[in-house]
Formats: sequence, structure tokens, C-alpha cells
Amino acid sequence: QVQLQESGPGLVKPSETLSLTCTVSGDSISAYYWNWIRQPPGKGLEWLGYIYSTGRTNYNPSLQSRVTFSVDTSKNQVSLKLTSVTAADTAVYYCTRELQYWGQGTLVTVSS
Amino acid sequence: DIQVTQSPSSLSASVGDRVTITCRASQDIRNDLGWFQQKPGKAPKRLIHSTSILQSGVPSRFSGSGSGTEFTLTISSLQPEDFATYYCLQHRTFPYTFGQGTKLEIK
Repeated sequence: QVQLQESGPGLVKPSETLSLTCTVSGDSISAYYWNWIRQPPGKGLEWLGYIYSTGRTNYNPSLQSRVTFSVDTSKNQVSLKLTSVTAADTAVYYCTRELQYWGQGTLVTVSS
Repeated sequence: DIQVTQSPSSLSASVGDRVTITCRASQDIRNDLGWFQQKPGKAPKRLIHSTSILQSGVPSRFSGSGSGTEFTLTISSLQPEDFATYYCLQHRTFPYTFGQGTKLEIK
């Protein structure tokens, strides 16, 4: 059974970079699309984009080039970096394999 | 971007009721729509993909229909564990977009 686990700092200062890792167990990350979704507290879901295991990406334009995804097949991990964060980036961040398998999510708060 | 309008935003119903949630897309998305269930503090769970294909393990009381711009999720006989928030997602065109969500509450 494939399992996903997001990890990273729970608190990031405004204007800094948010970095998260999604560690996948139970299957290889190869040949799948890995999506990132976020959910501000008490609000709805937002699709941030995806990365294919080869590194091909598609980002939500709403993030205005602040976001970068990467894959590390040797570690079976996918990662997200979001630069120049503001309070509006406070959310639970989820990684998901093709929208079928999801991590539990990790809350990132942007605050000084 | 394709806008997805989900209705109602909230719904009160009783165990055993039949409920329907609707999503309308601002453009033709063929059948590229999924439905997700989210319980408080938990990750969303995909119930249906490609409009009407039930995810493995999802009870058959859930069903999806539609095409083009109008889609529905139907729960034929509500069970206590079905009270949750439901979202639709169009994955026809980038960026993928979610509906605003429907909170299904116990009457």
C-alpha cells in the first residue's frame, strides 16, 4: 500500500522560502504524476501543480513563478519550494499521487 | 481558468436521505471531473473519477453523472459516516480547479 508523508517546517517567516518534502513508501515514485494541493484553514482546496517522475512540471499560474517542484528518485521523494511567502500562503499542504493517494498533509504557517 | 461552481454550499439531511450535489463548469470539460470527500482534520479522499467511475472500495451508494459542463454526485441513502465536505475537481484543463465545496451536515 503506497503511503505519502509530507514534512517540513511548520512556521516560515514572511518573504522567506517554504520547503516541503513528500516521502513515498510502498511503491516507486517513477511513472506517476505527483500533485501538490493546499488548503488554507477553514477554506477550500487549491491545486498548486504537478511533477511527473521524469521532472516534467505544470504549475498553477496563480503562484506567479514562486513555486518549484522537484523529484529525487534515489530517495523516493518529491519536493516543493515556494518563495517570497506571505500570510496568504498559510495552509495545509498535501502531496498526492495522481489525486488517488494522499499524504496526511502538513500545516505551514507564515508569520514573523 | 475554468471556473467550477458547486452547489449547494451546505446541505442538511438525515440518515437514509438521497442527496445530490452539483458542479457546473464554465467550459466543456468532457468527463474530466472527480469527486472528493473530506472529513475534519483529514486529507481528501477521491470517491469518483472521470465523472462516474467509482474508486475501489467506495460504497455503491455513491454515484456520479454528467458530461460537458454539468455534473452531479448522488448519495442514494445517507449513512452516518457520509457527513463530510465534498469537492469536485475538473482536470480537463490547466490549472485544475476545485469547486468551492459542499458541507453535508446532519439534520
